[in-house]
Amino acid sequence: DIQMTQSPSSLSASVGDRVTITCRASQGIRNDLGWYQQKPGRAPKRLIYAASSLQSGVPSRFSGSGSGTEFTLTISSLQPEDFATYYCLQHNSYPLTFGGGTKVEIK
Amino acid sequence: EVYLLESGGGLVQPGGSLRLSCAASGFTFSSSAMSWVRQAPGKGLEWVSAIGSGGTPTYYADSVKGRFTISRDNSKNTLYLQMSSLRAEDTAVYYCARGSIHTSSSFFDYWGQGTLVTVSS
Repeated sequence: DIQMTQSPSSLSASVGDRVTITCRASQGIRNDLGWYQQKPGRAPKRLIYAASSLQSGVPSRFSGSGSGTEFTLTISSLQPEDFATYYCLQHNSYPLTFGGGTKVEIK
Repeated sequence: EVYLLESGGGLVQPGGSLRLSCAASGFTFSSSAMSWVRQAPGKGLEWVSAIGSGGTPTYYADSVKGRFTISRDNSKNTLYLQMSSLRAEDTAVYYCARGSIHTSSSFFDYWGQGTLVTVSS
């Protein structure tokens, strides 16, 4: 099984800050990775697919990069509505595996 | 507009059974692979099971293998998850999501709102 190690597990940041979240895969997964945002009581929402493609309708302050085993989600200028939990998900092979999540909180 | 609507959740005793449904609309359901994902209270996301567009192949997480069965009825645009021998650790919100792992552009782009399953005596 492919393990996804996501870091940090939580972070505190201010509006306007640049935020970076990392996922590492235990083996190469090409670019078969997505990033999801989840707010309390809501279903996850896809932000990025194929590691670096921006989902339609998602603000351009969100970006993804990486391939193989190292992946990054960057929020260039954190906005109040971005405070949420973020997950990576590998879909290179079954079983599909999520990262442990990163909770982004207000400093 | 794509819609996925889960139903069938509720309170069930340990060892009991429950069947979840996910009604789909707004896309060609019969051409889309589907999955179930769950989230225990206060925990992260866990993939549970997937099924091909025609009903095969099927895949399961080790944690549910032999207890859960995924199926679909393409004539009704509905995905199912039959859960048996339920345990307290199966308590979670269960989401359905669409997409094949081979097509990144549409993989898990839409999710349902979730249905809560509580396993307790």
